[in-house]
Amino acid sequence: AQSVTQLDSQVPVFEEAPVELRCNYSSSVSVYLFWYVQYPNQGLQLLLKYLSGSTLVESINGFEAEFNKSQTSFHLRKPSVHISDTAEYFCAVSDLRGGSYIPTFGRGTSLIVHP
Amino acid sequence: DAEITQSPRHKITETGRQVTLACHQTWNHNNMFWYRQDLGHGLRLIHYSYGVQDTNKGEVSDGYSVSRSNTEDLPLTLESAASSQTSVYFCASSESGKGYEQYFGPGTRLTVT
Repeated sequence: AQSVTQLDSQVPVFEEAPVELRCNYSSSVSVYLFWYVQYPNQGLQLLLKYLSGSTLVESINGFEAEFNKSQTSFHLRKPSVHISDTAEYFCAVSDLRGGSYIPTFGRGTSLIVHP
Repeated sequence: DAEITQSPRHKITETGRQVTLACHQTWNHNNMFWYRQDLGHGLRLIHYSYGVQDTNKGEVSDGYSVSRSNTEDLPLTLESAASSQTSVYFCASSESGKGYEQYFGPGTRLTVT
């Protein structure tokens, strides 16, 4: 079964500093990779996704993630964070199981941006 | 605009009672999912459905059931609520096929006393 590991449960960082949220997964056979963001008292929203093609994918608000097949990783980065980026971030991997694509989520990383 | 809604948003119930959480989506998605979110566990899949009359168990399905009678709705029933089922429950939907992202509802906070 697929497993998704988010190596940091909490990442504190100062505003305008760079940040990296790490994500590793167990199986690299035909997977689709996602990062979701959850703001307080809300549901999850898609941040970005990797399906195929360029291994570097970007979101509209400055985040980017790089698919590394050899290291089975999909780390999320932002060169300069804002207070408004404070949220819970979830890495998810969708792979084929029993004829259907089933998503598996990591446990989440809480990004805390300090002024 | 299309959306996915959950009701109620908050629910307090007693141990042993049957509880049903509603999920309704207007995306016309075939796929629907139920998750529970607990501190330290992230999101865990309870049940999912790939279309009308189709339901499948997820990793934490014991004590829960779902039914899919139409495209728009996937209600989640707790047959006999237990304190261990106190959690935040999220419903999600997605298009069919590989690689499609999920759209999540706002969540239902359930407390079992």
